[in-house]
Amino acid sequence: QKEVEQNSGPLSVPEGAIASLNCTYSDRGSQSFFWYRQYSGKSPELIMFIYSNGDKEDGRFTAQLNKASQYVSLLIRDSQPSDSATYLCAVNRGRSWGKLQFGAGTQVVVTP
Amino acid sequence: DVKVTQSSRYLVKRTGEKVFLECVQDMDHENMFWYRQDPGLGLRLIYFSYDVKMKEKGDIPEGYSVSREKKERFSLILESASTNQTSMYLCASSPGQGGTEAFFGQGTRLTVV
Repeated sequence: QKEVEQNSGPLSVPEGAIASLNCTYSDRGSQSFFWYRQYSGKSPELIMFIYSNGDKEDGRFTAQLNKASQYVSLLIRDSQPSDSATYLCAVNRGRSWGKLQFGAGTQVVVTP
Repeated sequence: DVKVTQSSRYLVKRTGEKVFLECVQDMDHENMFWYRQDPGLGLRLIYFSYDVKMKEKGDIPEGYSVSREKKERFSLILESASTNQTSMYLCASSPGQGGTEAFFGQGTRLTVV
């Protein structure tokens, strides 16, 4: 079992719709969770982080965390063509601050 | 803005060569990382440094070494480059405890022929 699992996609989303991305992790000691966006040929950039159970909203993005189920998700509302990218879920390794375990990423394609 | 700068964007090296990838960050971060990224495998941690002259192996350290003589600079060394080390290499930095966001450099696409 991979430590951080994501569906590879591609996830095809009509423009204006909600994109829903899921991520599960295996290390129960993980305390912080991140979503990075990576455009083709570019380096990852952070879009959201979440530490506590529940929802966290930032503009069109909402991260959801359920530690009991070891599950973190990202919702993208009003999806735009510029949201077409690969989204990487990252989880800190146990109590090691700054040391992240990445999923393989979910490719999102927003169609006009 | 945090800036993490990698010395080369593209690099082509021959099998058996010793290869140096350099990374510099300007935010006085304690932690620095080297990852490689391959299709379908995501980012895999090669080495990690949490202080000057301190280093820790990641998930795939074989064939690599690192050097951190100054806080702002973290070098990845391929002792004898092989074709299976052809990959995208990403350097990242993050603050110490309390701030875990990692900031990435632009990446180095290394091709070993």
